[in-house]
Amino acid sequence: AQSVAQPEDQVNVAEGNPLTVKCTYSVSGNPYLFWYVQYPNRGLQFLLKYITGDNLVKGSYGFEAEFNKSQTSFHLKKPSALVSYSALYFCAVRDLSDMRFGAGTRLTVNP
Amino acid sequence: DTGVSQNPRHKITKRGQNVTFRCDPISEHNRLYWYRQTLGQGPEFLTYFQNEAQLEKSRLLSDRFSAERPKGSFSTLEIQRTEQGDSAMYLCASSPSGLGRSTDTQYFGPGTRLTVL
Repeated sequence: AQSVAQPEDQVNVAEGNPLTVKCTYSVSGNPYLFWYVQYPNRGLQFLLKYITGDNLVKGSYGFEAEFNKSQTSFHLKKPSALVSYSALYFCAVRDLSDMRFGAGTRLTVNP
Repeated sequence: DTGVSQNPRHKITKRGQNVTFRCDPISEHNRLYWYRQTLGQGPEFLTYFQNEAQLEKSRLLSDRFSAERPKGSFSTLEIQRTEQGDSAMYLCASSPSGLGRSTDTQYFGPGTRLTVL
């Protein structure tokens, strides 16, 4: 079965510094990978997805993610963090029937 | 706003009562999904509709849970004889047809937070 893991429960960065939120995957077949962000009391907002093609995927709000097949990773990145990015970030992989989400990483950007 | 909407946003009920949630997907989307999210976890898939047909159901969807999408537009999720373990956020998502099932993007609603006392 397809699965993703987010090895860090929490990530803290200073405003203006680059941020990385990590995700590793385990799939049989082609990986279809997604990143979502969730603000308090809100639903999930789609950031970006990897289906095929260029390993560097660009998405909403200037976020990007790098697909690395050899390391089975799909880390989310942003060159410069803002306090408003503080939220819960979920990596997900599509299975035939559903979307499998990681447990989430809480990103805190400190002013 | 043309996003996915869910009602109610919050529901508090007593154990043993029945509850029903509604989801209105984005109007041109014919795929609709229900998920459950408990505190500190990612969403877990419950069920999937293609138009009015319920095509997939998770093992998480016990006999007390039922979902419908009678006209292929809005959907309802009913939980009968609620238990404290049903307390969670229930999320609805929709996606357009035209892309493969595994590659389409799901757009989520704000969720319904259920508290069972």
